[in-house]
Amino acid sequence: AQKITQTQPGMFVQEKEAVTLDCTYDTSDPSYGLFWYKQPSSGEMIFLIYQGSYDQQNATEGRYSLNFQKARKSANLVISASQLGDSAMYFCAMRVPSGAGSYQLTFGKGTKLSVIP
Amino acid sequence: DTEVTQTPKHLVMGMTNKKSLKCEQHMGHRAMYWYKQKAKKPPELMFVYSYEKLSINESVPSRFSPECPNSSLLNLHLHALQPEDSALYLCASSRQLAGLYEQYFGPGTRLTVT
Repeated sequence: AQKITQTQPGMFVQEKEAVTLDCTYDTSDPSYGLFWYKQPSSGEMIFLIYQGSYDQQNATEGRYSLNFQKARKSANLVISASQLGDSAMYFCAMRVPSGAGSYQLTFGKGTKLSVIP
Repeated sequence: DTEVTQTPKHLVMGMTNKKSLKCEQHMGHRAMYWYKQKAKKPPELMFVYSYEKLSINESVPSRFSPECPNSSLLNLHLHALQPEDSALYLCASSRQLAGLYEQYFGPGTRLTVT
């Protein structure tokens, strides 16, 4: 069974500092994708970054980077130079084949990040 | 353009009402999804359409009825809902159902059942 674990229910970070949000995953499938989404209080789920299981390099998108350690099955999100607008819920998710040509997205429980001025 | 739109943003309905949620995307995506999200929880998958055909129904009660009239539109028809159905309903789309493609989400409809 596929599983995503986010062990930090809440995190605080000072504005302009970097922060790491933890995510570990479990799957027996060799082909999978890992995603991070941001959900502000308004509700929209915003796609941030993607890492494929066969990608050799860590993904980066602007201030977001994904620290992918395949052997440890971890896919931590690093946000550099935090801004007040980064305050939100962050979900780690994994997409794996679920049979009959179908793929399913499994979410972790989320981490609520609060940026302090 | 990675925009998925949803209407209405907010909906309050009684248990005897019939209402519909609407979702639209113009990215040429062939997979579309409905999720239900309760407060402080991750989204839960309800339905998946692939090439306008229902591919996945996660044992959702029949008071929720999805419809995909064309490749850009996805509706969720609501009838005889219960107060526990109050939640944020998110629509999403991806390039295809098969493959490691990211899903793009709409802003959601906040539904309150009274």
